[in-house]
Amino acid sequence: GGIITQTPKFLIGQEGQKLTLKCQQNFNHDTMYWYRQDSGKGLRLIYYSITENDLQKGDLSEGYDASREKKSSFSLTVTSAQKNEMAVFLCASSIGGLWGQYFGPGTRLTVL
Amino acid sequence: GDSVTQTEGLVTLTEGLPVMLNCTYQTIYSNPFLFWYVQHLNESPRLLLKSFTDNKRTEHQGFHATLHKSSSSFHLQKSSAQLSDSALYYCALSLNSGGSNAKLTFGKGTKLSVKS
Repeated sequence: GGIITQTPKFLIGQEGQKLTLKCQQNFNHDTMYWYRQDSGKGLRLIYYSITENDLQKGDLSEGYDASREKKSSFSLTVTSAQKNEMAVFLCASSIGGLWGQYFGPGTRLTVL
Repeated sequence: GDSVTQTEGLVTLTEGLPVMLNCTYQTIYSNPFLFWYVQHLNESPRLLLKSFTDNKRTEHQGFHATLHKSSSSFHLQKSSAQLSDSALYYCALSLNSGGSNAKLTFGKGTKLSVKS
């Protein structure tokens, strides 16, 4: 088995601040993803990466940067935090599209 | 583009009654992979079922679904709802086993509430 860890679990920032969320997986999966989930709402893809140093934009990439430093880690940066993006950010990984995705526990972002 | 449509909003059921959550999809590709994910309160989504074989029933943890390419559907069913089935359910579509098509297209989710 494997595990996905996300840090921090809770992140509080100021409006306009640059904030970074981190994700690590030990499944040895090639593909990693970042999603945003607003309260009671669906999952929206921000970025994904099919291999180290690769980045692919999702539907919600504006206002975010991502970095796949190595196969096991994938970081997401909120370039300028806004009050309307208080949400849970979920990291996921997969072997590929066929096998489905495993999700991490999430980082809950609050912007003051 | 590709899309997934699910039963909208909240579905409320009495314990013991059957569950059916609808999922239909749109894609130009002839070999889609379909998934159901379940997300309990304060947890992350977890894979429940998956299929890429036409007209073959797939089952897990009492739930089942059959991919019907003729109707572009992958409805989630269970014969008897339990209180512990209360959760948010997502249907998702994937088009490829890897590469730049490795992403999932998720539906908006259906919240299932089972009451005693």
